[in-house]
Amino acid sequence: SYELTQPPSVSVSPGQTASITCSGDVLSRKFGYWYQQKSGQAPVLVIYEDTKRPSDISERFSGSKSGAVATLTISGAQMEDEADYYCYSTDSRGNVFGTGTKVTVL
Amino acid sequence: EVHLLESGGALVQPGGSLRLSCAASGFSFSSYAMSWVRQVPGKGLEWVAGINGGGGTTNYGDSVKGRFSISRDNSQDTVYLHMDHVRVEDTAIYYCARLSYYDFWSAYPGHWGQGHLVTVSS
Repeated sequence: SYELTQPPSVSVSPGQTASITCSGDVLSRKFGYWYQQKSGQAPVLVIYEDTKRPSDISERFSGSKSGAVATLTISGAQMEDEADYYCYSTDSRGNVFGTGTKVTVL
Repeated sequence: EVHLLESGGALVQPGGSLRLSCAASGFSFSSYAMSWVRQVPGKGLEWVAGINGGGGTTNYGDSVKGRFSISRDNSQDTVYLHMDHVRVEDTAIYYCARLSYYDFWSAYPGHWGQGHLVTVSS
């Protein structure tokens, strides 16, 4: 197996920009994905294939990748964006989620 | 609309067995790989198992290999997780998820059920 490492927490003021990183060698060869999980709810896909956003996800969410580091950016953060965020990737070694980042909007 | 509904036992003793079910609707079930992902309350997401659309290929997370088994019945649009020799550390919310493609390699969970809490305790 392999690992995807995220910072445990990120804080952002309402209206400001938050960035969450995800590091792992698999990302240099494979796509990264991002999930949002609000308290007591199932995860929701917010970014797929590094940079693509599902049609029902706010334009505030964007993804990028450079080498082995994927980044989720929340532009103009809202209170409703407060949640846990997980990256994900997969290759022949398996399917792995990142360690998770708690985003606090305050 | 894709809908996934998990069910099964909720409480099992250490060393015991349990089977979870996930009934799917709203899509062509056999065209998609399926997976189980779990989450210890307050902790992160963990891949448990995946199965391709035809049911012939599976993969497992390291912590459950040799103890858990995933299977599917495409005539019933249902995927199962058979849990044997369960441990206290298997206590978690178990999510059923539909993957993006027929095979789980290079696929991602696109749709999730609401989850089912399994408690392993004596």
